[in-house]
Amino acid sequence: AQKITQTQPGMFVQEKEAVTLDCTYDTSDPSYGLFWYKQPSSGEMIFLIYQGSYDQQNATEGRYSLNFQKARKSANLVISASQLGDSAMYFCAMRGAGTASKLTFGTGTRLQVTL
Amino acid sequence: NAGVTQTPKFQVLKTGQSMTLQCAQDMNHEYMSWYRQDPGMGLRLIHYSVGAGITDQGEVPNGYNVSRSTTEDFPLRLLSAAPSQTSVYFCASSHRSERMNTEAFFGQGTRLTVV
Repeated sequence: AQKITQTQPGMFVQEKEAVTLDCTYDTSDPSYGLFWYKQPSSGEMIFLIYQGSYDQQNATEGRYSLNFQKARKSANLVISASQLGDSAMYFCAMRGAGTASKLTFGTGTRLQVTL
Repeated sequence: NAGVTQTPKFQVLKTGQSMTLQCAQDMNHEYMSWYRQDPGMGLRLIHYSVGAGITDQGEVPNGYNVSRSTTEDFPLRLLSAAPSQTSVYFCASSHRSERMNTEAFFGQGTRLTVV
């Protein structure tokens, strides 16, 4: 079974500052993928970034980067230079090998960016 | 590009009523899934399908039925609605691929209230 844990129900960050959203996971699969999704107040799920279990380098996508520490089973999302539009719910999710249709989600972190 | 289309966007049901949530995708994706989102619980998998004619249960399947007669459509049926089924429902689709970074595309969600 796979499990994702997000321990921060809510976070505040000032505009232009960096923020780290925590995600730890548990799985017995040797191969897996980790995803981060953003859910703004409008409700849609927006894919942000992906990290594979065998990827040697941490993933980056613009202002988003993933701090992947495999031994600690953590996959934290780092948002640099926060913007007001980053205020949203953020979900960490994972899939195991052969389960493309099945994602396991964490409970999410609500990020509020302030002036 | 329509992507994943869910209808309706909002629905209020009385306890005991039945209804079908519609999901259609135009990306020729093999995999389709239904999730429900509840406060503090993230997204949980209800049912999924790996292709036309093939469906399977997810984490929380009780009270829901699915079928997949075409690649494009994956309706979710509530047989006898209960207040515990008040939730936001998301349909997702993705290509069948052994690549772990295969992204899931989500519909806009259906907000269902059972009174």
